[in-house]
Amino acid sequence: QITLKESGPTLVKPTQTLTLTCTFSGFSLSTSGVGVGWIRQPPGKALEWLALIYWDDDKPTSPSLKNRLTISRGTSNNQVVLTMTNMDPVDTATYYCALRGNTDAYDIWGPGTRVTVSS
Amino acid sequence: DIQMTQSPSSLSASVGDRVTITCRASQTISNYLHWYQQKPGKAPTLLISVVSHLQSGVPSRFTGSASGTEYTLTISSLQPEDFATYYCQQSYSIPRTFGQGTRVEI
Repeated sequence: QITLKESGPTLVKPTQTLTLTCTFSGFSLSTSGVGVGWIRQPPGKALEWLALIYWDDDKPTSPSLKNRLTISRGTSNNQVVLTMTNMDPVDTATYYCALRGNTDAYDIWGPGTRVTVSS
Repeated sequence: DIQMTQSPSSLSASVGDRVTITCRASQTISNYLHWYQQKPGKAPTLLISVVSHLQSGVPSRFTGSASGTEYTLTISSLQPEDFATYYCQQSYSIPRTFGQGTRVEI
């Protein structure tokens, strides 16, 4: 069974750096074709794609956030970490990680983690 | 960036209705188009990948089709559990982009 789960702070202050961890099971990020992506959703708004890390360590990132985003493998083999610098209240959102499947869609999603940016 | 324009943004329907949601890409995406369903407070779930490939467990009343850069999600007979928000997403190029969503309500 494949699962993913996001974890991290629920509240960050403006200008701080956000670090979120996606912990997954049931697949390996070392397997050819596998990717884990991050997507966010501000309250009441649409989904926004942030970044993706592939099995071969390719790491495409949203150009509009490129200077602020870093996606990487975690310290454990079953983790992916998203770092976003210089947080602003407009970054308040639910952040999801998801498994990129063979058709390049996001087959399985984590439940999401709500992040509020406020002083 | 490729823009994905969904229409309508919301619709009201009744159980048993046939519902059609359209997603138009701003340029060719070579059928790298996927549909997700999201219920309030929940993560999205993948319904259909690459235009028309129904995911395991998704009822056959959901179908997807394409015509040029216009993609359509059809629910043949709306059921109570189908009331949700639907998103299209392209995976043809970076950045991946989603439509703005279509809320299906009673």
